Amino acid sequence: DAKTTQPPSMDCAEGRAANLPCNHSTISGNEYVYWYRQIHSQGPQYIIHGLKNNETNEMASLIITEDRKSSTLILPHATLRDTAVYYCIVRVASSGNTPLVFGKGTRLSVIA
Amino acid sequence: DTEVTQTPKHLVMGMTNKKSLKCEQHMGHRAMYWYKQKAKKPPELMFVYSYEKLSINESVPSRFSPECPNSSLLNLHLHALQPEDSALYLCASSPQLAGGPHEQYFGPGTRLTVT
Repeated sequence: DAKTTQPPSMDCAEGRAANLPCNHSTISGNEYVYWYRQIHSQGPQYIIHGLKNNETNEMASLIITEDRKSSTLILPHATLRDTAVYYCIVRVASSGNTPLVFGKGTRLSVIA
Repeated sequence: DTEVTQTPKHLVMGMTNKKSLKCEQHMGHRAMYWYKQKAKKPPELMFVYSYEKLSINESVPSRFSPECPNSSLLNLHLHALQPEDSALYLCASSPQLAGGPHEQYFGPGTRLTVT
């Protein structure tokens, strides 16, 4: 079973920041938080991951609380192309073939 | 090249047919995966290959038969499928390196319809 809880859906106005929360209260010390998204009828796309510290890349920022029990994915200036299902996933830090266990995700709708 | 390709994009097959799905990557990844995604549901893991050997089978029925003939290619052979097997079949790959986990790269999927 997925170890994360996310709201089923969210709306965001185009050009505004989209803040997607994720609850992972049972996360272990050796588990990373990963975010993927899936645009309609496409394969999932990696966005970002982190262990303890906040992370930023060209797509998004990841804010992890100090107790690591929750995190927030931030898309700083959402566009219509960011409309997708966003999945928050926890994964054990080990060799590269750890499978992804997807939860239900959050369906983000960016509105013009 | 960070692309995972899958063929065909769409497949319609009868319950008595035998067909195969193909997945290819040229990123040097030594871990490859098959996931199944039913409509409006998240992807679910089916198989994992590590260094061309099957390492995880998530109790998938034997009518699905995976094959990894080399480090770049992953096949899924289909035989005697049921209509409830209709789904999007996703292939993914990732590096097989220490210090993981590493991100997985997904193909666009094959949309399978069993009639």
